[in-house]
Amino acid sequence: EAGVAQSPRYKIIEKRQSVAFWCNPISGHATLYWYQQILGQGPKLLIQFQNNGVVDDSQLPKDRFSAERLKGVDSTLKIQPAKLEDSAVYLCASSPGGGYTEAFFGQGTRLTVV
Amino acid sequence: GNSVTQMEGPVTLSEEAFLTINCTYTATGYPSLFWYVQYPGEGLQLLLKATKADDKGSNKGFEATYRKETTSFHLEKGSVQVSDSAVYFCALSDPGDGNQFYFGTGTSLTVIP
Repeated sequence: EAGVAQSPRYKIIEKRQSVAFWCNPISGHATLYWYQQILGQGPKLLIQFQNNGVVDDSQLPKDRFSAERLKGVDSTLKIQPAKLEDSAVYLCASSPGGGYTEAFFGQGTRLTVV
Repeated sequence: GNSVTQMEGPVTLSEEAFLTINCTYTATGYPSLFWYVQYPGEGLQLLLKATKADDKGSNKGFEATYRKETTSFHLEKGSVQVSDSAVYFCALSDPGDGNQFYFGTGTSLTVIP
């Protein structure tokens, strides 16, 4: 079974530029998560999708971050404009759904804003 | 609300030493509990899980027991190896909260030969 695919693996941009990350979850997984992991900290949820609907985006900085999951499959996360404090690893995860199943994580995209 | 508190690191052990990483949680419902491991430059991998009180999760010599009375899920291994060096995250998922995952801050483990 193929895992969660993310691209790119690394990205370096200047502040105020824009950037987009892509995620393809495991086939058939209804739930998709985007997490931000700042160095030395645990992952923080940015947004959670159930199929193509948003379940929780309360911690997404909506003035600069946006995310979509078209057709309930793959997803993109965008930052525009980027700030220095956005430097982090952005993790995508998917889950089959239900209350007692784990989330499967991609390798993440390491973003450096200079 | 839901939250996870994890033992601060970093932890450095000699090979074959006993490992304990403490984790306690706060939950409004009936969560599932997880330990994830992150090797350098990689994403999070599930190490083990427990879905209800008194369940014991185990994998690769690691184990953790879901203790509802003490709201804890401590990770243990009897004899660590150099290859166990990684960052370990305790997490919970609450079906009453949309199955959102809450993570601890992570504990970095280094095992020296």
